[in-house]
Amino acid sequence: GQNIDQPTEMTATEGAIVQINCTYQTSGFNGLFWYQQHAGEAPTFLSYNVLDGLEEKGRFSSFLSRSKGYSYLLLKELQMKDSASYLCAVKSPGAGSYQLTFGKGTKLSVIP
Amino acid sequence: GAVVSQHPSRVICKSGTSVKIECRSLDFQATTMFWYRQFPKKSLMLMATSNEGSKATYEQGVEKDKFLINHASLTLSTLTVTSAHPEDSSFYICSARDPDRTDNQPQHFGDGTRLSIL
Repeated sequence: GQNIDQPTEMTATEGAIVQINCTYQTSGFNGLFWYQQHAGEAPTFLSYNVLDGLEEKGRFSSFLSRSKGYSYLLLKELQMKDSASYLCAVKSPGAGSYQLTFGKGTKLSVIP
Repeated sequence: GAVVSQHPSRVICKSGTSVKIECRSLDFQATTMFWYRQFPKKSLMLMATSNEGSKATYEQGVEKDKFLINHASLTLSTLTVTSAHPEDSSFYICSARDPDRTDNQPQHFGDGTRLSIL
């Protein structure tokens, strides 16, 4: 089975740094994705990790440890527009060659 | 710009109505499309995987006779919610896989369809 855990909600201050953790236990692993989703909208791609280590992209960084089944998304210099849900998703074998299994998402609120 | 177009964006209809949702890949041929459902404050749940020219593969617990999926061309997949009831009210999102892209962005999502059954 597939199990992906993330905190339900987090609050952080504008300009600060926040880390959103994700742990997973899945049958098969081909990579881990982070998506941002604003309410009522489709997810937008943020990052992808397939090897252990840190991937940096501007204000966003994502880390993966495959041996620990653990990832985190790091957001720096928080802005009000970063208030959204952040979804961790694991890529694994499925029909049509692969599928994405999403965590429940972490709702981030950025306050002044 | 958008590479996957989903239509309609919002539907409000009476119980018992059948509703069709379209998902189109605009500038690539999508051999595989995915249909997700998202209830309020919940995550995306994969409903089915649709491969062009073959029957869709449904996830456990998803009724294939209620959620009809057709993927008749490389750029179009449709989801029909048959005899919809209030419990089917949800946010439905499609995504399409571009086989020519590198794996770091394997799926492009449509904008979603908000379905409300009265």
